[in-house]
Amino acid sequence: DVKVTQSSRYLVKRTGEKVFLECVQDMDHENMFWYRQDPGLGLRLIYFSYDVKMKEKGDIPEGYSVSREKKERFSLILESASTNQTSMYLCASRGTGGETQYFGPGTRLLVL
Amino acid sequence: KNEVEQSPQNLTAQEGEFITINCSYSVGISALHWLQQHPGGGIVSLFMLSSGKKKHGRLIATINIQEKHSSLHITASHPRDSAVYICAVITGNQFYFGTGTSLTVIP
Repeated sequence: DVKVTQSSRYLVKRTGEKVFLECVQDMDHENMFWYRQDPGLGLRLIYFSYDVKMKEKGDIPEGYSVSREKKERFSLILESASTNQTSMYLCASRGTGGETQYFGPGTRLLVL
Repeated sequence: KNEVEQSPQNLTAQEGEFITINCSYSVGISALHWLQQHPGGGIVSLFMLSSGKKKHGRLIATINIQEKHSSLHITASHPRDSAVYICAVITGNQFYFGTGTSLTVIP
């Protein structure tokens, strides 16, 4: 049974703070993804990684960076949080050749 | 331009009603997913389709590759079906998501 976990369900941060969102998967998947989800906009891809230390920009990478030092862990970093980064953040993983993405429970981030 | 369009955006139904959610897409795909997201955020995959029809309990998903259209049907709807249903298509390595249909089933 695939499990994708995220470090926090809810997070409140101040403008300008550095924010780390952690995602861990236990299925040895090569591909990991970070999305944000906003009302009316659906899921939008921020970054993805297809291997350790590899990263690719998604549709909305501005204001974010990522780190993939270990295969099971993919971190999303907000270098200087802003109020427009208030959103639901969802991590997902997928095996190479697989067509199903497995999602984490999401982190609801509020930036004040 | 959205590669994936869903309709309706919001849907309210009485318990027991038959429900249909539609998804149209504009790109060539290798597969299509129907996802369910309950309040609280977690997303689960309901179906993955590349052709024809799949059924799981009261849920039925169909896809017409030529028309680039898929439907998700819920028979005998129940309040616990209340959730956001998201259509997602896979093309190459890329996933494209619809904006979701928010379903509320009233007892």
